[in-house]
Amino acid sequence: GAGVSQTPSNKVTEKGKYVELRCDPISGHTALYWYRQSLGQGPEFLIYFQGTGAADDSGLPNDRFFAVRPEGSVSTLKIQRTERGDSAVYLCASSPSSGGNTGELFFGEGSRLTVL
Amino acid sequence: DQQVKQNSPSLSVQEGRISILNCDYTNSMFDYFLWYKKYPAEGPTFLISISSIKDKNEDGRFTVFLNKSAKHLSLHIVPSQPGDSAVYFCAARDGANSKLTFGKGITLSVRP
Repeated sequence: GAGVSQTPSNKVTEKGKYVELRCDPISGHTALYWYRQSLGQGPEFLIYFQGTGAADDSGLPNDRFFAVRPEGSVSTLKIQRTERGDSAVYLCASSPSSGGNTGELFFGEGSRLTVL
Repeated sequence: DQQVKQNSPSLSVQEGRISILNCDYTNSMFDYFLWYKKYPAEGPTFLISISSIKDKNEDGRFTVFLNKSAKHLSLHIVPSQPGDSAVYFCAARDGANSKLTFGKGITLSVRP
């Protein structure tokens, strides 16, 4: 498709389980971002990739969260030993470079994670 | 400490009237300010942006005003339409690292 694609759209898991969320950015976009949106809040920055490398991972809340982008395209956000507080919508965004001339990021529809 | 603040959680306006959505920020390093619109179960979609060196940017019914001395920006929608009903997020880009910082959002309801 032409837009940012995220899978799964919904994930329900039990506390303590491992979860992977996938993001397929717009073709040719070198920058990729992960955000997390909790109920009643705005999107909160997690990590930013420029190509294959994580240029800024300062938003990852703890070492249970990890993200990779091995070939500079698809990215996977990995959450170990999930906790109920991890329940949120995880948003992926991409841009041609570091936001280009307007700062605009193109967002996917998100993956809603529910930890029971 | 919130660097981008949207202090009003909701706004209701009559169709055809003007909607004014406000946003305040604290970080002087922000170089771009953006507004995103979000419908339920969808990702945020870009609406309009403004560079920190400008004070106004207009696109159709949408105009964003920036007051750097007050660290304040606003989005004007005129005339408002029922299809504008959504959550609107103000966001700001840090020129040093390109990531966006978002406000909490404001829910706009446009009454027919």
